[in-house]
Amino acid sequence: DSGVTQTPKHLITATGQRVTLRCSPRSGDLSVYWYQQSLDQGLQFLIQYYNGEERAKGNILERFSAQQFPDLHSELNLSSLELGDSALYFCASSAPPDRSSPLHFGNGTRLTVT
Amino acid sequence: GESVGLHLPTLSVQEGDNSIINCAYSNSASDYFIWYKQESGKGPQFIIDIRSNMDKRQGQRVTVLLNKTVKHLSLQIAATQPGDSAVYFCAENWEAGNNRKLIWGLGTSLAVNP
Repeated sequence: DSGVTQTPKHLITATGQRVTLRCSPRSGDLSVYWYQQSLDQGLQFLIQYYNGEERAKGNILERFSAQQFPDLHSELNLSSLELGDSALYFCASSAPPDRSSPLHFGNGTRLTVT
Repeated sequence: GESVGLHLPTLSVQEGDNSIINCAYSNSASDYFIWYKQESGKGPQFIIDIRSNMDKRQGQRVTVLLNKTVKHLSLQIAATQPGDSAVYFCAENWEAGNNRKLIWGLGTSLAVNP
């Protein structure tokens, strides 16, 4: 068990809808990362937060947004969903100092858009 | 029907043999490297890491070797067991200003034959 908790484990929704994925990092970790993993693209970095502030952005679509709350949990919001958004979404956290510590991943949310 | 997805390199070994999984990295400025194991339906699991000031690091049944001259990283698993069957991938890390940059490999699928 990595200590990173993601909910829900599975999500099935229709095109055009909006969903929220939730992540609780390991105790003491300040950084939260969001990744998308699909069959044809491997792990794609979406966004990183550090202690409540956005730290880095990757290949995140404008339809997607995220935030990290004062208690350090994070949410990833996906809107106007398309079939191609179906994927595994992972959250990871890392301990300070962030620059050279491993990421610890949750078990992901499997999103299916129909 | 035909499946669409990443065609990962596959390493097939006999139970009890040693496994060597290789990774070529891209940036000579990378200063930190991490190996992960991902089992089906689970999030990537941290195995071992190494900093660029080291050539070798050992864990329990695993050894990581770093060759900075040719930008090559390897993961050696001793006495491979069926439970080691998974996708293994490496990540390289360097500092970009105040942020870290992480680049992920696509992975190698390890199949352990009993």
